[in-house]
Amino acid sequence: GQQVMQIPQYQHVQEGEDFTTYCNSSTTLSNIQWYKQRPGGHPVFLIQLVKSGEVKKQKRLTFQFGEAKKNSSLHITATQTTDVGTYFCAGRDSNYQLIWGAGTKLIIKP
Amino acid sequence: NAGVTQTPKFQVLKTGQSMTLQCAQDMNHEYMSWYRQDPGMGLRLIHYSVGAGITDQGEVPNGYNVSRSTTEDFPLRLLSAAPSQTSVYFCASNPGRVPAANEKLFFGSGTQLSVL
Repeated sequence: GQQVMQIPQYQHVQEGEDFTTYCNSSTTLSNIQWYKQRPGGHPVFLIQLVKSGEVKKQKRLTFQFGEAKKNSSLHITATQTTDVGTYFCAGRDSNYQLIWGAGTKLIIKP
Repeated sequence: NAGVTQTPKFQVLKTGQSMTLQCAQDMNHEYMSWYRQDPGMGLRLIHYSVGAGITDQGEVPNGYNVSRSTTEDFPLRLLSAAPSQTSVYFCASNPGRVPAANEKLFFGSGTQLSVL
């Protein structure tokens, strides 16, 4: 079946360093959504990318959707403690069902 | 608006017991769904509904039942709990009848279930 692979599973960074998570789909996606889940919380929608090659920014967060609409990335510049959590991508397939990546946990080193 | 409300927040069951996880939304959303979240596995869809009276299976439906008698409520029933059902369960909704291209999911706060 369709899968969305998300890497890495964990990323440890010093506060102020950058963070990136990548998602790759086995098939072309209609669009891709990104969610953030704080520790002990529930997933919260961040953004949706629809167009091939689309790039969107939210303050220190940059989201990209690949030209073939099979991959996406989230990059955080100069991480802060408020960025801690797990970031999920979720791609919509041709039947509009969401296929979730396993998530990347952002951990700030003390 | 309360959004999506799940109860209970925590539950401990013994193997073989049954229970119902409650989910209610006050946003008049047509689409509602149940996910389970296990470490390292992301979110897996259990069941979903595109409107009152209509339900369908997701990726991991075995051992779970749902019904949708009203737009607001979408309870998840565990028929005979097993340790493999220990997980965090999330209810989520979005406005459209069919999960459309431009709609985001609104999640409840989750239910942490342990089956001993």
